[in-house]
Amino acid sequence: DAGVIQSPRHEVTEMGQEVTLRCKPISGHDYLFWYRQTMMRGLELLIYFNNNVPIDDSGMPEDRFSAKMPNASFSTLKIQPSEPRDSAVYFCASSRKIQGTRTEAFFGQGTRLTVV
Amino acid sequence: AQKVTQAQTEISVVEKEDVTLDCVYETRDTTYYLFWYKQPPSGELVFLIRRNSFDEQNEISGRYSWNFQKSTSSFNFTITASQVVDSAVYFCALSGTSGTYKYIFGTGTRLKVLA
Repeated sequence: DAGVIQSPRHEVTEMGQEVTLRCKPISGHDYLFWYRQTMMRGLELLIYFNNNVPIDDSGMPEDRFSAKMPNASFSTLKIQPSEPRDSAVYFCASSRKIQGTRTEAFFGQGTRLTVV
Repeated sequence: AQKVTQAQTEISVVEKEDVTLDCVYETRDTTYYLFWYKQPPSGELVFLIRRNSFDEQNEISGRYSWNFQKSTSSFNFTITASQVVDSAVYFCALSGTSGTYKYIFGTGTRLKVLA
């Protein structure tokens, strides 16, 4: 399997611009997570989906952030408008349950976002 | 609430020394899962081990070993005979089974192995 695939790997944008991050989970995984990593706050869960349905978005910082999962193989995280404090590494991860047992989450390579 | 504490922010050791990374967790769930991940300088998060709350057996994988103790809510990670390639940030994580399906991460421990 190719693993979790994120694009782009790096994104530099100007303040106020819209940014869209993309993620393709591992085939067969029914949970998808978006995390943000910064030096100050560590790894924060932003939102997660189960079977394409958003379950918990309590970590989404504010209305400028939105996430969608239109099908089992694709998700986006959008920031509009972007601000310098959004600069971080954004990770997408996926996992599944096997006979009720929780498995590990597999992470993509991350998108390093810089807002100038 | 669920919480993971990694009190050691940074550890430096000389190559071939043994090192233990501490992880203390909090949860009210009776069934839960614990994980360790490695984040090398290249930035990806690499899964190392998963343990469920009913399995307190310690595990050894090569130079890596894990000590799970429910009595002290700890899941510590030991690297024996450390190598420079072990230099990375190591994260402990917890996932409960009540409420939402989250992986809660600790703040990580940066391990520097000096040649």
